Parts: sequence; structure tokens; C-alpha cells
Amino acid sequence: LAKTTQPISMDSYEGQEVNITCSHNNIATNDYITWYQQFPSQGPRFIIQGYKTKVTNEVASLFIPADRKSSTLSLPRVSLSDTAVYYCLVPNNNAGNMLTFGGGTRLMVKP
Amino acid sequence: KAGVTQTPRYLIKTRGQQVTLSCSPISGHRSVSWYQQTPGQGLQFLFEYFSETQRNKGNFPGRFSGRQFSNSRSEMNVSTLELGDSALYLCASSFRGYNEQFFGPGTRLTVL
Repeated sequence: LAKTTQPISMDSYEGQEVNITCSHNNIATNDYITWYQQFPSQGPRFIIQGYKTKVTNEVASLFIPADRKSSTLSLPRVSLSDTAVYYCLVPNNNAGNMLTFGGGTRLMVKP
Repeated sequence: KAGVTQTPRYLIKTRGQQVTLSCSPISGHRSVSWYQQTPGQGLQFLFEYFSETQRNKGNFPGRFSGRQFSNSRSEMNVSTLELGDSALYLCASSFRGYNEQFFGPGTRLTVL
């Protein structure tokens, strides 16, 4: 099971681009990288998932280098409502739907 | 399409009691997973059910159990409650597997 490491917390200001990097050195060949967002007292929400290079959706972009040992979640022009905890996960293909959450990155967006 | 629903949203119990939490997945989703979230331990996987069978189990004592019905609705039960069982219990459903899970709002359990 690939262990992930990400910063405990980050601060940003409204309108800035935020990049959160996650390390997953022992990622397996078939593993995908998945990011979730969680607001206080709510369940996590799927943001984006990728396997290699770059993935973009209406919420974020995910950059994955060729060696896939890390990934960067990019949030363009954050607002106060983006204040949340962001989790990087590498779900184990052989573990069904078991998600192993680490500590996540607590993002604080300031006005 | 309606999201994942969990009932009740809040619950207060005393030590030694038992509790049953309910989760209704998104229509068409056959996989239901349960998680416990506490400030100290974070989000931890409890178990997953798929087509009424437990497919995965986390590292929790036997006091924690669950089941899934033929309509994919799931329940989890905690017997002989301890103070440390106070947590937010989250349910998540999925259709295609691990790719994307949809979480419910959770049940906040307080054990006194």
C-alpha cells in the first residue's frame, strides 16, 4: 500500500494559485492518484484523479511527473470557500474500495 | 440524483450501550464503505460491503460490525460503546470501484 506524505498545513490569500505536493515513493504501476477535499463536519468530496502527466477538471489540475513518485494538486485562484483539508490518496487496486487517508493538508485561505 | 444519506445525523449514547447507524447509497451503487473520523486518529476505514458481502475490513475490534441489504442499504453496529467511540461516522458509496467514492454527511456519535 503506497504511503503518502503531504504538508500538514498551508496558508494562501484569495485569488492566488495554490499548489499542494504529495509524495508517494512506493506507488505501484497500476495505482492512480486521487485527491479529496473535506470541509469541517462533512464527508470528503472527490476532487480529481490521475495516472500520469496532467489532468484538469473544472475544479483543479493534477500534475504527475514521469516517475510518478509525487503529484501536485493545483487550485487556481482560490477563494475563502476553498479553506478545507485536502487529502492525497493512492488507493490500492487490490484492496477494493478501501481508502487509506493520511493526515491531509489543512489549507487556510485568507482575505 | 440523490446523494448518500445517513441517519441519524446526531446521536448521544452512554457507555455500554449499543448503536446502529444507517446508510443509503446513491441509487445504483453497490459498494458501501464505512469510516470513522476522530481528531486524534483522523479518517480510518472500518469495512466495505459489496453485494451484501463484506469485502474489506479495517483494523477495528469485533464490537464494530456491519451488514448490507439486497437494496444496497447498509447498517453498522457498535456494541458495548466506549468513550473512545465518540466520532463522526462516514459512509461512502461507489459504483465502479475505488475510482471515486461519494461520502454522506456522517453521523456524529457522542458517548457519555
